[in-house]
Amino acid sequence: SQTIHQWPATLVQPVGSPLSLECTVEGTSNPNLYWYRQAAGRGLQLLFYSVGIGQISSEVPQNLSASRPQDRQFILSSKKLLLSDSGFYLCAWIRPRENTEAFFGQGTRLTVV
Amino acid sequence: GNSVTQMEGPVTLSEEAFLTINCTYTATGYPSLFWYVQYPGEGLQLLLKATKADDKGSNKGFEATYRKETTSFHLEKGSVQVSDSAVYFCALYNFNKFYFGSGTKLNVKP
Repeated sequence: SQTIHQWPATLVQPVGSPLSLECTVEGTSNPNLYWYRQAAGRGLQLLFYSVGIGQISSEVPQNLSASRPQDRQFILSSKKLLLSDSGFYLCAWIRPRENTEAFFGQGTRLTVV
Repeated sequence: GNSVTQMEGPVTLSEEAFLTINCTYTATGYPSLFWYVQYPGEGLQLLLKATKADDKGSNKGFEATYRKETTSFHLEKGSVQVSDSAVYFCALYNFNKFYFGSGTKLNVKP
């Protein structure tokens, strides 16, 4: 069966510090991978998605970047965090070319102080 | 473009009450439609889905019917329980992307 791992679960970082959140998928190959952010009391905003190694599409201009160094690994990064980067970050994957469901990680609660 | 609009919450109901959460969408082509549920501090879990017009998705007593003529996918449950308290997200999948509504928080009181 397929599983998705996302870590860390919680993170408190000072303003101006770097960020690295990691997401890995097991039990499938060539998944489409996604990073979403959920701000307090708001819906999910798609940040980045990737259809293959090294292929990253950015949905909104921001202080964050994403990379996909391996087929089943997706990393969300920042060189210098802003207060506005606080939120709940979710990684997700879907099988390409199939109308199926999105599978989500457990999320990372990021607080920038 | 593609977008999802769902009713704002919170929705507060007594146990065994009838639930409706409205969801409408805008999309090009033929999207699939989903309802996801999020319990506190957790990621999203699939509740139900429908892949084409007139399909009905159902799970755990929840139902939603894909209505192309009204571009809607309203979530219903005949008798809610306290354990149904969560945030519910309507979503569509089109051209490799999931688009989510803003979420509706449901509070069920005993």
